[in-house]
Amino acid sequence: AQTVTQSQPEMSVQEAETVTLSCTYDTSESDYYLFWYKQPPSRQMILVIRQEAYKQQNATENRFSVNFQKAAKSFSLKISDSQLGDAAMYFCAYRSQAYNAGNMLTFGGGTRLMVKP
Amino acid sequence: KAGVTQTPRYLIKTRGQQVTLSCSPISGHRSVSWYQQTPGQGLQFLFEYFSETQRNKGNFPGRFSGRQFSNSRSEMNVSTLELGDSALYLCASSLSRPNTEAFFGQGTRLTVV
Repeated sequence: AQTVTQSQPEMSVQEAETVTLSCTYDTSESDYYLFWYKQPPSRQMILVIRQEAYKQQNATENRFSVNFQKAAKSFSLKISDSQLGDAAMYFCAYRSQAYNAGNMLTFGGGTRLMVKP
Repeated sequence: KAGVTQTPRYLIKTRGQQVTLSCSPISGHRSVSWYQQTPGQGLQFLFEYFSETQRNKGNFPGRFSGRQFSNSRSEMNVSTLELGDSALYLCASSLSRPNTEAFFGQGTRLTVV
């Protein structure tokens, strides 16, 4: 079974600065997806960014980018130019591409990000 | 396009009762997954339904069950409620795989007293 670990329960960043959230995972599979989800106080999970394991190029979405190290099984999220609206819980998630895996997501424990004005 | 709709948003039940939660996926999405979120255990996968069939199931007791209707709407049922079942229950809908994003609803907050 796959496991996802987020070692930082809480992080804080000054507005306009850059912050990096860490995620490591354990799997014996070679084909999978990795995701970062944001959960604001409204509780709705919002997809921030995703990475396909077979792609070596790191994904980027505006101010959000990842550092995907497949051999090290590491998948960190970098938020540049942090904004007050970025304050939320961030979850790292794994999805297998195995035939029988369906759309099941395995989540890490989450990192609470606080943004200071 | 309407998002994933979960009803009710809040629910208070007594130990021993049963509860049914509903999830209406995004139009055209045939996969619906359910997750339980608690402060202690985090986000845990309950089960996934695709085209009215349970495709995957997490490690939860048989008191947790679900079903999916022909219009892809899904319900989950918890029987004989325990205090530990108090949680946020999240539903996610997706198109069929591969390379699909899961869209989440706002969840149902269940409190068992």
